[in-house]
Amino acid sequence: KQEVTQIPAALSVPEGENLVLNCSFTDSAIYNLQWFRQDPGKGLTSLLLIQSSQREQTSGRLNASLDKSSGRSTLYIAASQPGDSATYLCAVRTGSSASKIIFGSGTRLSIRP
Amino acid sequence: GAVVSQHPSRVICKSGTSVKIECRSLDFQATTMFWYRQFPKQSLMLMATSNEGSKATYEQGVEKDKFLINHASLTLSTLTVTSAHPEDSSFYICSAREWGGGAADTQYFGPGTRLTVL
Repeated sequence: KQEVTQIPAALSVPEGENLVLNCSFTDSAIYNLQWFRQDPGKGLTSLLLIQSSQREQTSGRLNASLDKSSGRSTLYIAASQPGDSATYLCAVRTGSSASKIIFGSGTRLSIRP
Repeated sequence: GAVVSQHPSRVICKSGTSVKIECRSLDFQATTMFWYRQFPKQSLMLMATSNEGSKATYEQGVEKDKFLINHASLTLSTLTVTSAHPEDSSFYICSAREWGGGAADTQYFGPGTRLTVL
């Protein structure tokens, strides 16, 4: 059974710092991995999607890497801003016919002005 | 990009009543829709997968008679929480996969419905 874990559960850093969020998954047979952002009481915003054949994706100040063989992904946020404060979720697409998306527990990020 | 809507966005009901949540794919046809539940400060947990025109597949531990799912068309799925109780209070999010199948297909998420059972 696929399990997705995110470390740390919560993180608070001062504005301007670069930071890394971690995600690990137990079964390397994934189709893709996606990072989402969720603001309090809101739905999901897709940030980056990495296909299983890819090793990283970049969008602006965000960079996500994938090491499928070791079951790990990282989300790097450069020059953090207060507006980056949110919960970040990683999710893997897995199962027969890529039928399921399994979410990690999330990292609650707070950027202090 | 593709849009998935949910209605209502927020609902408060009394214990024992039933609540229906709608999930619509607005500009694409969704052969498969997914329903997730999220308790406060926890992650999304998959409840069930529904394919248009067939019965939903429920995850282990989810009561199919309590959470009725209907996927009657390629653009609409509904989740009915029957005889709701306070412990059913949660954030329910639906997701829709665009027609075509395959690992490369994108799954789009709705904005969620906040259910509060008094």
